Amino acid sequence: DTGVSQDPRHKITKRGQNVTFRCDPISEHNRLYWYRQTLGQGPEFLTYFQNEAQLEKSRLLSDRFSAERPKGSFSTLEIQRTEQGDSAMYLCASSPQGLAGAGTGELFFGEGSRLTVL
Amino acid sequence: AQSVAQPEDQVNVAEGNPLTVKCTYSVSGNPYLFWYVQYPNRGLQFLLKYITGDNLVKGSYGFEAEFNKSQTSFHLKKPSALVSDSALYFCAVRDMTNAGKSTFGDGTTLTVKP
Repeated sequence: DTGVSQDPRHKITKRGQNVTFRCDPISEHNRLYWYRQTLGQGPEFLTYFQNEAQLEKSRLLSDRFSAERPKGSFSTLEIQRTEQGDSAMYLCASSPQGLAGAGTGELFFGEGSRLTVL
Repeated sequence: AQSVAQPEDQVNVAEGNPLTVKCTYSVSGNPYLFWYVQYPNRGLQFLLKYITGDNLVKGSYGFEAEFNKSQTSFHLKKPSALVSDSALYFCAVRDMTNAGKSTFGDGTTLTVKP
């Protein structure tokens, strides 16, 4: 399967612990996105990479959140000192750059990593 | 700033009837518009997009959407609904000049009854 894969699919942790999620995008896609989705809401943008460069970050991404894409391939999203409000589905998506530079492409989503903070 | 509104949390239709799921948007520049579908315990899947050109775009599974610039709308339609179309549908918008953030609506649950 050459789709976007995310690991782990489910994570239960205690408040104050650190968690890390991994995303492997579609191999030929140079853009990678992280979104957060809570029940009854649409996905909320967190951050975006083009290759290894993190080009945009949402204000939702507090200083407890950090994302990396060290070699322009897979990405990790780390949450430090988790809080109960961090409980959500964390979605990763990728897209190709496209001929127009800015890209016209749709997002290809993984199945998400569900975080529960107790 | 960009935003998307999906005014209906729930749409119910009978199998075989036409369906419409509404979406309106706000964006500073020219929009790229998308519809995605989410089945239970599955990731979001792309259905169709409007980039430029014809206002009526066709996508997967017989769905189509009509772009209306004056009304800033991008309603999803299907002439004849199937029970298997029952799912959660999201509309999204991105500014043409910004490769980054897409903004999603809060979703509309479509239920097609046999």
